[in-house]
Amino acid sequence: AQKITQTQPGMFVQEKEAVTLDCTYDTSDPSYGLFWYKQPSSGEMIFLIYQGSYDQQNATEGRYSLNFQKARKSANLVISASQLGDSAMYFCAMREGRAGNQFYFGTGTSLTVIP
Amino acid sequence: NAGVTQTPKFRILKIGQSMTLQCAQDMNHNYMYWYRQDPGMGLKLIYYSVGAGITDKGEVPNGYNVSRSTTEDFPLRLELAAPSQTSVYFCASSYGRGHPLDEQFFGPGTRLTVL
Repeated sequence: AQKITQTQPGMFVQEKEAVTLDCTYDTSDPSYGLFWYKQPSSGEMIFLIYQGSYDQQNATEGRYSLNFQKARKSANLVISASQLGDSAMYFCAMREGRAGNQFYFGTGTSLTVIP
Repeated sequence: NAGVTQTPKFRILKIGQSMTLQCAQDMNHNYMYWYRQDPGMGLKLIYYSVGAGITDKGEVPNGYNVSRSTTEDFPLRLELAAPSQTSVYFCASSYGRGHPLDEQFFGPGTRLTVL
């Protein structure tokens, strides 16, 4: 089974609108971390936001927030007030265990922001 | 701080040739990782290291070798290049060891083509 599933290969959003990128995960470990990374066309990987499995509140970082639904095993990324510079690939990732050694990445979602 | 650096940025190899991809980090991170990213796909873990002298296989280790003689450096060796190894290779590092925010910091990537 896939550890991380991103079911939206491509998404479009109007500038200044909000968009939600889906991510579901699979683990039986009670302790895990969830991450979102952005990969612009230039290729670098940029860390956006982190959610720990024991965190009580949804993580937020500026215009990014993580909609964490533990029972559903989902960790969707919400980008508010989209900007043209948000056009990129977005990857969801998981690390199992408090000091787990491996990260598992999804296949990514390509986001295009339309002016 | 330079962060995570990788050399070379681009390389073309002939089938059967060997090469070493270099990776260095100056953040005193314990953990280091090598990933490959095939076109349109997410990242797959090749090898990782939790400290100097300690390495372990990831999801796709065949055809690669690593060593970690120092905390800073984590080279990836391709012994007999094959067309299936055409990919973009990312090196990453993190604090590991139960650090509360164990995000990975990525290098800029090496684009490798095997012909």
